[in-house]
Amino acid sequence: QKEVEQDPGPLSVPEGAIVSLNCTYSNSAFQYFMWYRQYSRKGPELLMYTYSSGNKEDGRFTAQVDKSSKYISLFIRDSQPSDSATYLCAMTLTGFQKLVFGTGTRLLVSP
Amino acid sequence: DGGITQSPKYLFRKEGQNVTLSCEQNLNHDAMYWYRQDPGQGLRLIYYSQIVNDFQKGDIAEGYSVSREKKESFPLTVTSAQKNPTAFYLCASRPGWGQGETQYFGPGTRLLVL
Repeated sequence: QKEVEQDPGPLSVPEGAIVSLNCTYSNSAFQYFMWYRQYSRKGPELLMYTYSSGNKEDGRFTAQVDKSSKYISLFIRDSQPSDSATYLCAMTLTGFQKLVFGTGTRLLVSP
Repeated sequence: DGGITQSPKYLFRKEGQNVTLSCEQNLNHDAMYWYRQDPGQGLRLIYYSQIVNDFQKGDIAEGYSVSREKKESFPLTVTSAQKNPTAFYLCASRPGWGQGETQYFGPGTRLLVL
């Protein structure tokens, strides 16, 4: 079993839809949770960063962490074709030098 | 502009050849990382360095080597011992202890075998 599980997709939605992207994890010690967006043939770009549980909102993006269920989500409101990319979740804990990544979910938003 | 640069964007390797990928950052970050990305496999850690003149093996270090002689630079050499080097290589950096856990990525180098 992988430490972080993420559905590879692709997830296809029409423009304007609300998108939900999710990761589950097995290590209850994880404290820091990140979402990266990666366009084809580009480096990942940090989208959201959350410490511990709760929600964080930034424009059309909301990151949610449920530590009791070991489940994190990224919601995208009013999705745009420019949101079409692969979304990677990542997590770590204090003092652990590495990030543990999901394999990424490919999102396709059609006009 | 502050950021991470990687060069070249594309690199071709011949059989038996060693090649070196460049990674430079001007973010004043202490830690630097090298990842390999293959389709459907996510990011796999090759090497990382927390300070100058020190580095640790990641999950797939065999066939690779690194150096960290300057804070700003963390070059990766893909040696002839790496039998399947075709992949997208990503460099990342992170601030030092207690300054955040996120990593910031460069644009990547695509390595192809001739």
